[in-house]
Amino acid sequence: DAGVIQSPRHEVTEMGQEVTLRCKPISGHDYLFWYRQTMMRGLELLIYFNNNVPIDDSGMPEDRFSAKMPNASFSTLKIQPSEPRDSAVYFCASSSDNNSPLHFGNGTRLTVT
Amino acid sequence: LAKTTQPISMDSYEGQEVNITCSHNNIATNDYITWYQQFPSQGPRFIIQGYKTKVTNEVASLFIPADRKSSTLSLPRVSLSDTAVYYCLVGDYNQGGKLIFGQGTELSVKP
Repeated sequence: DAGVIQSPRHEVTEMGQEVTLRCKPISGHDYLFWYRQTMMRGLELLIYFNNNVPIDDSGMPEDRFSAKMPNASFSTLKIQPSEPRDSAVYFCASSSDNNSPLHFGNGTRLTVT
Repeated sequence: LAKTTQPISMDSYEGQEVNITCSHNNIATNDYITWYQQFPSQGPRFIIQGYKTKVTNEVASLFIPADRKSSTLSLPRVSLSDTAVYYCLVGDYNQGGKLIFGQGTELSVKP
């Protein structure tokens, strides 16, 4: 089991550019979560999916953020246009069902200059 | 969702037992209590989960009193590698698994 795989590991971009973060959940896991972590705000839940369907996106900060899960093995988090305040570590996590723990990837460290 | 309160930081020495207590006064009947550990530059990692009384695994023990308004994570004989941030979460998995992380407790283990 390779675990949750996120790419890229690091992303540096200029303000105004589009950023796409990618996640491959553990095979067979029905739930997928996107979190953002900063020193000021800690770990924030942005959105989560069940069986590829977005269930709760109340944590998505603005319309600049969007997430998709076109199939059970892939999800993207897109920021367009990016801003310096979006700089953070973005984590993807998956779980097998609604009673199971989350398995996190190693995150994508995003820096927007 | 139930709010959790933990100490911001704790210090310990190698070989000691560490107990981290989390308060969750408005925990609901269907809520489970879960603890995660996070090392720098890594995602959080599941440690232990429980509903009531005591749960033990190869890594830690979780003590939950009868009223469930608090829980205590116990780490036996910590080592330097246990230095990390520990998060207590309370969530109703029957409502879709939405979990909110609090500020966590930064544990520092010294030689």
